[in-house]
Amino acid sequence: AQSVAQPEDQVNVAEGNPLTVKCTYSVSGNPYLFWYVQYPNRGLQFLLKYITGDNLVKGSYGFEAEFNKSQTSFHLKKPSALVSDSALYFCAVRPYSSASKIIFGSGTRLSIRP
Amino acid sequence: KAGVTQTPRYLIKTRGQQVTLSCSPISGHRSVSWYQQTPGQGLQFLFEYFSETQRNKGNFPGRFSGRQFSNSRSEMNVSTLELGDSALYLCASSLIAGGGDTQYFGPGTRLTVL
Repeated sequence: AQSVAQPEDQVNVAEGNPLTVKCTYSVSGNPYLFWYVQYPNRGLQFLLKYITGDNLVKGSYGFEAEFNKSQTSFHLKKPSALVSDSALYFCAVRPYSSASKIIFGSGTRLSIRP
Repeated sequence: KAGVTQTPRYLIKTRGQQVTLSCSPISGHRSVSWYQQTPGQGLQFLFEYFSETQRNKGNFPGRFSGRQFSNSRSEMNVSTLELGDSALYLCASSLIAGGGDTQYFGPGTRLTVL
């Protein structure tokens, strides 16, 4: 079965420190990978995606993610966390087939303390 | 360009009633997807439409249905509401369905079933 896992329900980081939100996936073939962020009482906002090419993808608000095919991972990173980064983060994967639906992870709540 | 709009933003219904939610995609987008978000189940895929055709469907009972109009606007309907249908319903639009195309989300409709 095709799936995506976010192994940490919550990640706590001090402001100014680097942050990592983990995501691993299991799909057949090559995947398209996405990260979204959700602030309270809002819809999801697109951060970045991996389609093909360079394994390091840069996105909005200083976030980046690294595609690792051998480890089937797509971890979200930021060199220096801000309190305003506190939100719910979702990883998503869509298998290469154009008919496939997008699959979302369970979400990771990121909390940045001042 | 205006974003994805969803109406109404909040809705209170009682068990047994039915409800219709509306989604207007970003201009030019031809694909609309619907998701249900609850604290316990996370983000669950309902259905995906492209050019008035349902391309994918999630694992929800037949009480949940949807449609897409020729102008790409979409509606979803839930009949015979149950308490467990209380959730945030999110709509997302994209240029095409599938592949690496980015989905852009609306703010959601908060449905409360009493």
